[in-house]
Amino acid sequence: EPEVTQTPSHQVTQMGQEVILRCVPISNHLYFYWYRQILGQKVEFLVSFYNNEISEKSEIFDDQFSVERPDGSNFTLKIRSTKLEDSAMYFCASSDEGYSNQPQHFGDGTRLSIL
Amino acid sequence: GNSVTQMEGPVTLSEEAFLTINCTYTATGYPSLFWYVQYPGEGLQLLLKATKADDKGSNKGFEATYRKETTSFHLEKGSVQVSDSAVYFCALVNTGFQKLVFGTGTRLLVSP
Repeated sequence: EPEVTQTPSHQVTQMGQEVILRCVPISNHLYFYWYRQILGQKVEFLVSFYNNEISEKSEIFDDQFSVERPDGSNFTLKIRSTKLEDSAMYFCASSDEGYSNQPQHFGDGTRLSIL
Repeated sequence: GNSVTQMEGPVTLSEEAFLTINCTYTATGYPSLFWYVQYPGEGLQLLLKATKADDKGSNKGFEATYRKETTSFHLEKGSVQVSDSAVYFCALVNTGFQKLVFGTGTRLLVSP
């Protein structure tokens, strides 16, 4: 069964450094998403992306965050200047359509630890 | 706004026991409802979904019915197995939007 893959599985970064989290969505999917889960808290939506544009974003997704689809297969989340509170598990997801009734398929996540 | 409330965990059961995990929601429109499961060390996997009132989603022996009158989507399974031990998340997507709104998750522990 096709799956979403995320790399790395664990990223450790010094505060203030830039970090890029990478995702390969399912190949025929057109909608891409990032979520995060701070330890012990809810899974929170960050951003959705379609046709090379952000289609929806949360208040968490401020100017420190950006997303990109640099080629036909990768989808990346960049945090420009990391803060301690950015430490979390980051999940990428994809779906073949953007309708609310279409399930989103998740990767295994990248654990980001900011020191 | 939109929100999902799940029962606190952990839920601890013996193998073959009946499972219910309660989920209620608040939404301004007509949301689609989902249950996701997260096994240790893994990502979120879709377990089942229901997209309109009175729909029943089912998969791997799990069921949940979309109840508009009680704004609920409780997860049930007639006989749990040790392999069902995981964290279960109830979630919604409101009509016209794409973002999943998750509950806090309920950890299920099944002992032999």
